[in-house]
Formats: sequence, C-alpha cells, structure tokens
Amino acid sequence: QVQLQQSGPGLVKPSQTLSLTCAISGDSVSSNSATWNWIRQSPSRGLEWLGRTYYRSKWYNDYAVSVKGRISINPDTSKNQFSLHLNSVTPEDTAVYYCMRLLVATGDYWGQGTLVTVPS
Amino acid sequence: QSALTQPPSASGSPGQSVTISCTGTSGDIGGYDYVSWYQQHPGKAPKLMIYEVTKRPSGVPDRFSGSKSGNTASLTVSGLQAEDEADYYCSSYAGGNNILVFGTGTKVTVL
Repeated sequence: QVQLQQSGPGLVKPSQTLSLTCAISGDSVSSNSATWNWIRQSPSRGLEWLGRTYYRSKWYNDYAVSVKGRISINPDTSKNQFSLHLNSVTPEDTAVYYCMRLLVATGDYWGQGTLVTVPS
Repeated sequence: QSALTQPPSASGSPGQSVTISCTGTSGDIGGYDYVSWYQQHPGKAPKLMIYEVTKRPSGVPDRFSGSKSGNTASLTVSGLQAEDEADYYCSSYAGGNNILVFGTGTKVTVL
C-alpha cells in the first residue's frame, strides 16, 4: 500500500518561497513507472496540476505553464521523498496543496493535503 | 489549457442513478483514453473512482461506471447511497506543457 505524507508550513509571507515535502512509503521516488506530482486546489482555480518529477534512466521534470519560472520539484532519493518549491508567492497562491502519484495519467495515491495561506 | 467543463450540481434520490458529464476538447478527452474520475468529501483528498475511462480500482463499488464519446466523458452512479454525496472531478491527460487537466467539479446531492 502506497502512502504519501506531506509536511511543510501552512503560512508563507508574500514574495517568499513556499516549500512542501512529500514522503513516500510503499513505492520509490526512483520508480520507472510512476511520476510524482504536485496539485493544488482553491475556490478560484479549482484543481490545478502544477508539475512532476520522474526517473527514466535520468531525472525529468515537467511544469505547468501557469507557474513555470517560479516552480521547482526535486526528488530526494536518500529519504525517498520529493519536494515542491514555489517562489515569489502572492495571495493567489493560497490553496490546498496535494502530492500525488501518477501512473501514466491516473492519480491513484494522494497526500493528505496542506492548506497554505499567503496573506495579503 | 482550460479546465474541463462539468455541471455544477447533480442530484438523485437513494436508489436512483445520476450521470455527470465532463466536456473537453480533442486535445484532451477526445485525444486520449486517459480519463479519470475522483470523489472528494469535505476536507479530504480526492479518491480515485474510475481510471482510463471505464476501469474501476479495487474496492470501488460497481455502482460507479465511466464512459466516453468524442470529447465528452461521463460518470454514472447507480443505486445512489447517502455516502455518495460528495464532489466529483474528472481529469484527462492533455499532453504538451500541461500534462493533466481537471474538471470544474460537480456536487452530487442525495435527496
């Protein structure tokens, strides 16, 4: 059974960097079949895919156009986890953030969610 | 990449069926058989109910079924039960720069 456990602060000041971590159990961040994704959900934007990291003989990343240039998603093989860093945040980045395992295009396991607030 | 379009709400009495539509384009739903459906109860993470248009993960009741025609996918919940009351979201592989696109969400109410 795969489990994803999220950690990170729930309050980030404007212009600073939002950082969250997702610890994986029951699978490997270096899996050759899974990709490791970050999703966010807000009343104004709904569910929004932000990006992913995955290993296929080497590491790859893909990022949503809406956050490209501000986002990085990094694997940590020593701790079997991956992290999200979103810089220059504004109140529009206030959302519940989820990590998710994606097999091709199926999100079969999700983290518990982290509400991140960026005050105005 | 625009969100997939779902009706804001749907409802039915216990035992009845409800069908939710999810409309996209040839660049997402119409181009790939990678449509998923998620159920979300308040304060909880989404739960996978249907994947690859018609497949059910282990443990999901067979009351839940999926289909697709052209650029529109559908989720049908048969034999509605009180615990089916939740928000439902579709998603589709979209390729290109935005790998995954989600629907706008449908609140299902069991009357």
